[in-house]
Amino acid sequence: DAGVTQSPTHLIKTRGQQVTLRCSPISGHKSVSWYQQVLGQGPQFIFQYYEKEERGRGNFPDRFSARQFPNYSSELNVNALLLGDSALYLCASSLLVNSYNEQFFGPGTRLTVL
Amino acid sequence: KNEVEQSPQNLTAQEGEFITINCSYSVGISALHWLQQHPGGGIVSLFMLSSGKKKHGRLIATINIQEKHSSLHITASHPRDSAVYICAVRSNTGNQFYFGTGTSLTVIP
Repeated sequence: DAGVTQSPTHLIKTRGQQVTLRCSPISGHKSVSWYQQVLGQGPQFIFQYYEKEERGRGNFPDRFSARQFPNYSSELNVNALLLGDSALYLCASSLLVNSYNEQFFGPGTRLTVL
Repeated sequence: KNEVEQSPQNLTAQEGEFITINCSYSVGISALHWLQQHPGGGIVSLFMLSSGKKKHGRLIATINIQEKHSSLHITASHPRDSAVYICAVRSNTGNQFYFGTGTSLTVIP
């Protein structure tokens, strides 16, 4: 059974561009969360989605948006990229949205903004 | 001030040693997670705790809700345990997750 998958694995963009990152959860998992991990730091929570609705949001600007599709896959969009958006973007899925469900992480998408 | 603080930041141990990593948090939580991150970024969830103690193989995690503190212990450490260990909490308000900056563990043969 496949784990959480993310695409692309690596991405290089320039300042001002827009980027879309994709995540497919483990089969049967209905909740997807997105995290940003800047080099040398712990991950920071961006969004959580469950049943296509946003259920949690971290302290990120409106340039960051996400959505979840009927098949529970998810996209993270970042507009007007800044150099500081360079990071590893991690997606995690869980069966349900409540805190008693373990999260399973994908391998991440490494975004470099030049 | 970070909502989650971990110590130590870096840890080097000889193979076979008993290792403890500590995590303190300042928010009300509904669950605490211990994660393992290997070079290259892959994260594996080790434990999810809301009370008490859990054991999995050589790993033991404890949490004290009153003191807002958790520890991760590794018994009989092995070089393959070398990784970054991250403590994360889910707040009981607002559905937020907060992460520590991680403890980088190196186990020397």
